[in-house]
Amino acid sequence: QVQLQQSGPGLVEPSQTLSLTCAISGDSVSSSSAAWTWIRQSPSRGLEWLGCTYYRSKWSNNYAVSVRSRMTINADTSKNQFSLQLNSVTPEDTAVYYCARLNTEGTTRHFDNWGQGILVTVSS
Amino acid sequence: EIVLTQSPGTLSLSPGERATLSCRASQSLNINYFAWYQHKPGQAPRLLIYGSSSRAAGIPDRFSGSGSGTDFTLTISRLEPEDSAVYYCQQYGSSPLCSFGQGTKLEIK
Repeated sequence: QVQLQQSGPGLVEPSQTLSLTCAISGDSVSSSSAAWTWIRQSPSRGLEWLGCTYYRSKWSNNYAVSVRSRMTINADTSKNQFSLQLNSVTPEDTAVYYCARLNTEGTTRHFDNWGQGILVTVSS
Repeated sequence: EIVLTQSPGTLSLSPGERATLSCRASQSLNINYFAWYQHKPGQAPRLLIYGSSSRAAGIPDRFSGSGSGTDFTLTISRLEPEDSAVYYCQQYGSSPLCSFGQGTKLEIK
């Protein structure tokens, strides 16, 4: 059974960097059947896909246009986890952040496992 | 850019009734890349339906999905109090790479 455990601060000051980690159990961050994803939810934006990292002979990333210039997703194979860094945050980045596994096995694509979510507030 | 529009915004029904939730895409979608999720306050979203019509593991057969092209439907037959939640549709693979609808709030009276 796949489980995702998120960690990171719940409060970040404006202009600083938001950093979150998602530890994976029951699967490998290097799995060829998954893309490891960050999604956030806020009242103003609803559920918003932010980006993902995945391994297919080499590591690749995809980012949403809205955060592409500020976001980095990295995988750590030694700890079997992946992380999110979002630079230069503003109050508009206040949201509940989720990590999730995009299941890419077979012909379908869907998020079948989610972390517990972390409310991150951007405020001084 | 693909936009997913869900209707209605809010649905209020009684236990035992049937709920029909709609998701309309601004462009035709690959049905294999379309899913529905249930989201309750304080919890992570839960996968209900993937590939437009396949139920995820552990999901009761009261939940069913259908549709193709631009129109998709989630049907919940025989509503139970625990079905109260916000339901989201989601597409993958089209620009943007992944997007969600704005959600339908289902209230059980």
